[in-house]
Amino acid sequence: GNSVTQMEGPVTLSEEAFLTINCTYTATGYPSLFWYVQYPGEGLQLLLKATKADDKGSNKGFEATYRKETTSFHLEKGSVQVSDSAVYFCALSDKLGGFKTIFGAGTRLFVKA
Amino acid sequence: DAGVIQSPRHEVTEMGQEVTLRCKPISGHNSLFWYRQTMMRGLELLIYFNNNVPIDDSGMPEDRFSAKMPNASFSTLKIQPSEPRDSAVYFCASSLPGQVIYEQYFGPGTRLTVT
Repeated sequence: GNSVTQMEGPVTLSEEAFLTINCTYTATGYPSLFWYVQYPGEGLQLLLKATKADDKGSNKGFEATYRKETTSFHLEKGSVQVSDSAVYFCALSDKLGGFKTIFGAGTRLFVKA
Repeated sequence: DAGVIQSPRHEVTEMGQEVTLRCKPISGHNSLFWYRQTMMRGLELLIYFNNNVPIDDSGMPEDRFSAKMPNASFSTLKIQPSEPRDSAVYFCASSLPGQVIYEQYFGPGTRLTVT
């Protein structure tokens, strides 16, 4: 079945540092891939997405590239801010899985001023 | 667009009581999901509906949990009787599946505390 594995946290960085959160997936079909972000006290919200191999999703300075050969979708940002402190979830969804989205365990990011 | 609406935002109840959580999905979305989030178990899918029909309820923990979607604009998640281990944040999400993309829109959640 489909699954998502992402790096364990917490990740603690200083402001303006480079961020990478690793995510790999297993899927039987051709999934769409997502990164969701959850700020304290809120629900998850879509950060970025990619629907096919080699697509790059980007939003708010974050980027992730759909790598089919390595089954990965790593999240990167060149310079983090304190306001980026949140929990980040990698996720996938495909037609073979019906309408379900499979979420990773989440990675908590702390950014220090 | 008001987004997904959940009520109440916070619920504190005593063990054994019935709890009903409510969700209004985004207008026009035809899939609805109920999740539970705890520190220990992370984000768990409880049940999801498509066009008001329950498609997969394999994540519902036990018979004490039930969910309904009487129409396209309303869903409930009921716990009867409630237990302290049900304490969690419960999220509702809705989606409009297209040909390829299945992004979900989450509500703000209901924080349930069972004492």
